[in-house]
Amino acid sequence: NAGVTQTPKFQVLKTGQSMTLQCAQDMNHEYMSWYRQDPGMGLRLIHYSVGAGITDQGEVPNGYNVSRSTTEDFPLRLLSAAPSQTSVYFCASRLAVQGTQYFGPGTRLLVL
Amino acid sequence: GENVEQHPSTLSVQEGDSAVIKCTYSDSASNYFPWYKQELGKGPQLIIDIRSNVGEKKDQRIAVTLNKTAKHFSLHITETQPEDSAVYFCAASQGKLIFGQGTELSVKP
Repeated sequence: NAGVTQTPKFQVLKTGQSMTLQCAQDMNHEYMSWYRQDPGMGLRLIHYSVGAGITDQGEVPNGYNVSRSTTEDFPLRLLSAAPSQTSVYFCASRLAVQGTQYFGPGTRLLVL
Repeated sequence: GENVEQHPSTLSVQEGDSAVIKCTYSDSASNYFPWYKQELGKGPQLIIDIRSNVGEKKDQRIAVTLNKTAKHFSLHITETQPEDSAVYFCAASQGKLIFGQGTELSVKP
């Protein structure tokens, strides 16, 4: 199993540009989540999904959209990038509510 | 919603000493409390977890305790080694998994 994969590993955007961060898992996990990690602020939940077709907001959803058309994929879209979205983004998945959550390697995003 | 507070933000210990990291949570409905270790440049990895029907759990040098009444839980690492140096996160869940701010642990040889 590849586990949780994320692309790209690093991205530079200009303010106002849009992009999609890709996330995929091959463990048939129902639960998938997106977090952002900023110094001193830990991991903050952006959006999460409990299954295909079902998404919900986390702690910091503004400026981000998600969709879950398949069990495997959970892309995160930035509609109009802002410098405040400079961060490291982690995708994660787990089989059940109390299951082990597995994280991807992260995407480092710089918005100029 | 759930709010998780974690202390201390940094912790420095001598090799062989014990390290304790504490977390408090706000939502009494939370019933699952994992701890993650993050090494530089990598994603967090689960090291131990505890469910609300258990007060303590141990795995070799690592233990976690849970006090549901006070809504706090702690990570205990005994006989620390330099390879324990990393950032540690606590989390709480009753659906959404919400993380604390992290503790940077440094173990000095």
